[in-house]
Amino acid sequence: AQSVTQPDIHITVSEGASLELRCNYSYGATPYLFWYVQSPGQGLQLLLKYFSGDTLVQGIKGFEAEFKRSQSSFNLRKPSVHWSDAAEYFCAVGPGNNNDMRFGAGTRLTVKP
Amino acid sequence: DSGVTQTPKHLITATGQRVTLRCSPRSGDLSVYWYQQSLDQGLQFLIQYYNGEERAKGNILERFSAQQFPDLHSELNLSSLELGDSALYFCASSEPSQAQYFGPGTRLLVL
Repeated sequence: AQSVTQPDIHITVSEGASLELRCNYSYGATPYLFWYVQSPGQGLQLLLKYFSGDTLVQGIKGFEAEFKRSQSSFNLRKPSVHWSDAAEYFCAVGPGNNNDMRFGAGTRLTVKP
Repeated sequence: DSGVTQTPKHLITATGQRVTLRCSPRSGDLSVYWYQQSLDQGLQFLIQYYNGEERAKGNILERFSAQQFPDLHSELNLSSLELGDSALYFCASSEPSQAQYFGPGTRLLVL
């Protein structure tokens, strides 16, 4: 069965610093991979997705992610974090046996001034 | 704005009651998904509908049911509510095998 692990529950970075959020997945075939962001009290917004092709994926808000099959990873990166990036970030993998997506537990990002 | 709408935004009710949550998908999306988000369980997939038919089931309780209507909007019915059903309920929609787009959610509080 597919699963997603986000090893970091909470990360704090300084504004302007670079960011990398980790995501590891377990999936029997080539997965579809996603990163979503959730601000407090809001729904989940799609940042980027990987289906196939180029393993470096560009998303919105200056985010990118790299699919590494050998490491079963899909880490999210941003070169310079802004205070408005403070939010919860979810990695997801699909489609599952039920055509669903499995979400990681999320990583909460705090940005220090 | 994802294009997915959900009503109501907030709902407060008592144990044992029944509520209905409504979702309108993005224009053109035939698939609708329901998720429950709680602090202890995280984001859990409940059920998926595709063009009016149930397509997949996740961790949905028997007290919960859903349907998708001919105009593609969907309703999630929660009955015999318990304190533990308090959560955020999200609807998402997608085109076949594409990314899901989430609505703003309905926050349910069961007292």
